[in-house]
Amino acid sequence: EVQLVESGGGLVQPGGSLRLSCAASGFTFSSYWMSWVRQAPGKGLEWVANIKQDGSEKYYVDSVKGRFTISRDNAKNSLYLQMNSLRAEDTAVYYCARSYSSGWNYWGQGTLVTVSS
Amino acid sequence: QSALTQPASVSGSPGQSITISCTGTSSDVGGYNYVSWYQQHPGKAPKLMIYDVSNRPSGVSNRFSGSKSGNTASLTISGLQAEDEADYYCSSYTSSSPLFGGGTKLTVL
Repeated sequence: EVQLVESGGGLVQPGGSLRLSCAASGFTFSSYWMSWVRQAPGKGLEWVANIKQDGSEKYYVDSVKGRFTISRDNAKNSLYLQMNSLRAEDTAVYYCARSYSSGWNYWGQGTLVTVSS
Repeated sequence: QSALTQPASVSGSPGQSITISCTGTSSDVGGYNYVSWYQQHPGKAPKLMIYDVSNRPSGVSNRFSGSKSGNTASLTISGLQAEDEADYYCSSYTSSSPLFGGGTKLTVL
């Protein structure tokens, strides 16, 4: 059974940092592009970043470029999102998702990041 | 890039059919056959319902179907059931980054 389990969310002050993790199981992690998608409270979905199977390609939404870094450790079946210089508008549930053709067919349960003083 | 445009809400009675539209531009929806649709119940993670415009993942009911004409993609749900009440999001590949629609709340009357 495919499972994606996020962790690392919490309350952080503006300007602070947080590192999210996503533990994958039930599939060959190293064979898939992976993404982070977020959802602000009461709002819609927003793609944040994705990373190629071997980590050689990474892409970001404009609003997080230079502040967030996506990475993966295929030996540990894990996906990460390092978030620096956090802003109030980064407050959201962050989902880890496995790419499937043009979409994402497996999602984690999400981890809440709250940026507030 | 702006989000794709979806109606804020749609409604229908059990057994009826409804269609949710997703309008973009020639740079996203109209330029690629890479539109996907997601169902999200409150407090839950999104679930993939349609990918590549009209393909259903295994396990998704054939009551759900997708199509595209020009810059507008559509999700049709036939034989509406109470469990279909949820938020629905479209997404499209673009040359820069994937885009989502603003979401549509489906109410089953």
